[in-house]
Amino acid sequence: QSVLTQPPSVSAAPGQKVTISCSGSSSNIANNYVSWYQHLPGTAPKLLIYDDNKRPSGIPVRFSGSKSGTSATLGITGLQTGDEADYYCATWDTSLTVVVFGGGTKLTVL
Amino acid sequence: EVQLVESGGGLVQPGGSLTLSCVASGFTFSNSWMHWVRRAPGKGLVWVSRIRGDGRSINYADSVKGRFTISRDNAKNTVYLQMNSLRDEDTAVYYCGRDIHIAAADSWGPGTLVTVSS
Repeated sequence: QSVLTQPPSVSAAPGQKVTISCSGSSSNIANNYVSWYQHLPGTAPKLLIYDDNKRPSGIPVRFSGSKSGTSATLGITGLQTGDEADYYCATWDTSLTVVVFGGGTKLTVL
Repeated sequence: EVQLVESGGGLVQPGGSLTLSCVASGFTFSNSWMHWVRRAPGKGLVWVSRIRGDGRSINYADSVKGRFTISRDNAKNTVYLQMNSLRDEDTAVYYCGRDIHIAAADSWGPGTLVTVSS
């Protein structure tokens, strides 16, 4: 059971927009920065968003992050088939003194 | 260019030990926190441990605390993960990553597979 809760799966058509939610608590999301990762098994994880809403160099503007209270959201616009992957939120948990990941959300581009 | 390369994975029996290495290049290694995460077959990414640049601050996930030890040798640009008392559920691909801010690692290695099985 993950400390951060994500929907197991989301889907949308190519060109559409999708959002992935990440729900936590006051000991993690509400008071610490959130990151988002894209991962395909057998490959290196890719950082998409850090510090709630910043994109590392090379990440397209189609990817965006936001946060409100104890929840964070990853948005992806202009969906492409290459976006099919698993997506994870992550943050620091001040009470547990560990990094926590969400359980992951599988994105299917129909 | 930042590069991270893990090694040391393999097949080990339950209760056995294994030490993973991650060699870094392309950045000032001693200034960076480093993370280990893992992904078991059919499961999600799970954070394992992290170590500060000077090696003097370390955190572990509860699932590995007391069994795994993270360390680093800044002269060799290498971070290690010593894994003892291995269990079936430790079977996973292990990745090391360079931290740029808490819980944000912008560079990762390709991973090394650890299989715990009799």
